Amino acid sequence: GEEVAQTPKHLVRGEGQKAKLYCAPIKGHSYVFWYQQVLKNEFKFLISFQNENVFDETGMPKERFSAKCLPNSPCSLEIQATKLEDSAVYFCASKTVGTNTGELFFGEGSRLTVL
Amino acid sequence: DQQVKQNSPSLSVQEGRISILNCDYTNSMFDYFLWYKKYPAEGPTFLISISSIKDKNEDGRFTVFLNKSAKHLSLHIVPSQPGDSAVYFCAASAKVAGNQFYFGTGTSLTVIP
Repeated sequence: GEEVAQTPKHLVRGEGQKAKLYCAPIKGHSYVFWYQQVLKNEFKFLISFQNENVFDETGMPKERFSAKCLPNSPCSLEIQATKLEDSAVYFCASKTVGTNTGELFFGEGSRLTVL
Repeated sequence: DQQVKQNSPSLSVQEGRISILNCDYTNSMFDYFLWYKKYPAEGPTFLISISSIKDKNEDGRFTVFLNKSAKHLSLHIVPSQPGDSAVYFCAASAKVAGNQFYFGTGTSLTVIP
């Protein structure tokens, strides 16, 4: 597609439940990023992929969070046993090149609310 | 540890005047900088970028200035229009740090008609 498509737009989970978010990058973009936006507008980097391979996972919490980008499927970000502090907007972004230049194209985000 | 900082959470400007949004960074390895614009309930959209080999980049009403010695960049919007009202984020990346982008916390711009 010509834009980054994220689903669902909104997700509500009870504490301890699983949450799974999906992202289809722009066609032809090899790099996919996940960011978490919490209070005060701060964007926290979580993980990036080059095609189906993890490129940089330095921002991923060690527990409960996992992500995949499998061939011919949307990328996914999964949170096991959600906690209140996981409430945030999760943005997916994609880009064509692996260098640090070039812009990121963002999806509209998935708002996760943990009650 | 916030490596990219936008110290003004909000800014109000009269339509037709200049809007100046500021951004400071701490990592001297950053060599590529971008500005994004974000409307509520939407993802950020790219506005303009600048490489560290330049000190100015212009695109229509938008100009980004980079002062490497001060580790400071600014976005100028001239003339400001009501449709420019949004949250503006600056972002930075470093070649040595792979392709991760570091974002500031945003400045909410309101252009008053």
